[in-house]
Amino acid sequence: GEDVEQSLFLSVREGDSSVINCTYTDSSSTYLYWYKQEPGAGLQLLTYIFSNMDMKQDQRLTVLLNKKDKHLSLRIADTQTGDSAIYFCAADSNYQLIWGAGTKLIIKP
Amino acid sequence: EPEVTQTPSHQVTQMGQEVILRCVPISNHLYFYWYRQILGQKVEFLVSFYNNEISEKSEIFDDQFSVERPDGSNFTLKIRSTKLEDSAMYFCASRKGPANTGELFFGEGSRLTVL
Repeated sequence: GEDVEQSLFLSVREGDSSVINCTYTDSSSTYLYWYKQEPGAGLQLLTYIFSNMDMKQDQRLTVLLNKKDKHLSLRIADTQTGDSAIYFCAADSNYQLIWGAGTKLIIKP
Repeated sequence: EPEVTQTPSHQVTQMGQEVILRCVPISNHLYFYWYRQILGQKVEFLVSFYNNEISEKSEIFDDQFSVERPDGSNFTLKIRSTKLEDSAMYFCASRKGPANTGELFFGEGSRLTVL
């Protein structure tokens, strides 16, 4: 079946940029999403990108999509302690979203 | 801003009991979904629902599970005879159109603990 892969952890210093990477297998995915999940909380949609775009910027967030390589990244500029969370990449595939395992973002002071 | 709401936020139940998780999707949405996330694992698709019937379901969604839209606003997930391994966070989601047509909105989730 289709799959989404992302690394499990990313550690960055406060104030630096964080880049979380994701790869997916379904080349027909039309929408690709980034969700944030804080401990014990729900899934908060951060941003999404339509497959005919290669970049989307929203304040501190920049999403880059390389459709040829099926690679998606989320850049968080000026990372703050409040950005500590698990970040999920998800890809539309037929009738459902296929989810990555999540990348835990750890902020070092 | 419209949102998907779920109740209860947390339910603790004994193994073998029936549980109903409730969701109120966004009012003009037509496609509804349940996903679950076992602690520390990936979010998994359970079922999609459109036009008062199940449109797709995963292998997880066996005879123990059922969904219903009992009125114009609620969308429920029933788990008959809960098992320990049903302990998870259950997320409801809705969207205006079918898959690949737009943003999928999620609720905050209902945490189910089976003892």
